Amino acid sequence: DAGVIQSPRHEVTEMGQEVTLRCKPISGHDYLFWYRQTMMRGLELLIYFNNNVPIDDSGMPEDRFSAKMPNASFSTLKIQPSEPRDSAVYFCASSLRGGVGVGDGEKLFFGSGTQLSVL
Amino acid sequence: GENVEQHPSTLSVQEGDSAVIKCTYSDSASNYFPWYKQELGKRPQLIIDIRSNVGEKKDQRIAVTLNKTAKHFSLHITETQPEDSAVYFCAASWGYSTLTFGKGTMLLVSP
Repeated sequence: DAGVIQSPRHEVTEMGQEVTLRCKPISGHDYLFWYRQTMMRGLELLIYFNNNVPIDDSGMPEDRFSAKMPNASFSTLKIQPSEPRDSAVYFCASSLRGGVGVGDGEKLFFGSGTQLSVL
Repeated sequence: GENVEQHPSTLSVQEGDSAVIKCTYSDSASNYFPWYKQELGKRPQLIIDIRSNVGEKKDQRIAVTLNKTAKHFSLHITETQPEDSAVYFCAASWGYSTLTFGKGTMLLVSP
């Protein structure tokens, strides 16, 4: 498996523009997570899905952020309109949850991230 | 919810020395404690993990210890090498909860 695939690797945009980040999880994984990483706040969980259904979006900073998972192999994170303070690295991650105490269920596999710069 | 504190935020050692990074957690229900290594410009990658029914786990030069009573766990790296230089993150979770990450420790190993 190629692992979690994210695109684009780098995105530079101007304030006010719409930004769409894409993620393909590892085949067979039933959980998908979107994280944001900054120097100040570290790794922040924005939202996660289980079997394509959003479970917890309490980490999404504002209504400008939205995420979708139309099928098991694709998810998007959209920022509209973008602002300079959105500049960060955005990671997608997936895992296979077998339940409490089951083998490798909680292991999280990260994508390479999208470095977003909003000017 | 869970809160994970990680110390130190930066750690500089000489090649060959040992390095220890410590984390504390707040939720006594947490039972899974992974450590991730993130090299500059790369993705975080799992290097070792431990469950609450185990007190210590080793994998070559790295080891993790867990003290459930005190609610803290530590990463130990022996015989450090320059390629160990990276940011290390601890995390904690239980059952179906999501991982809560510490803020990270930047480890610098000087030749």
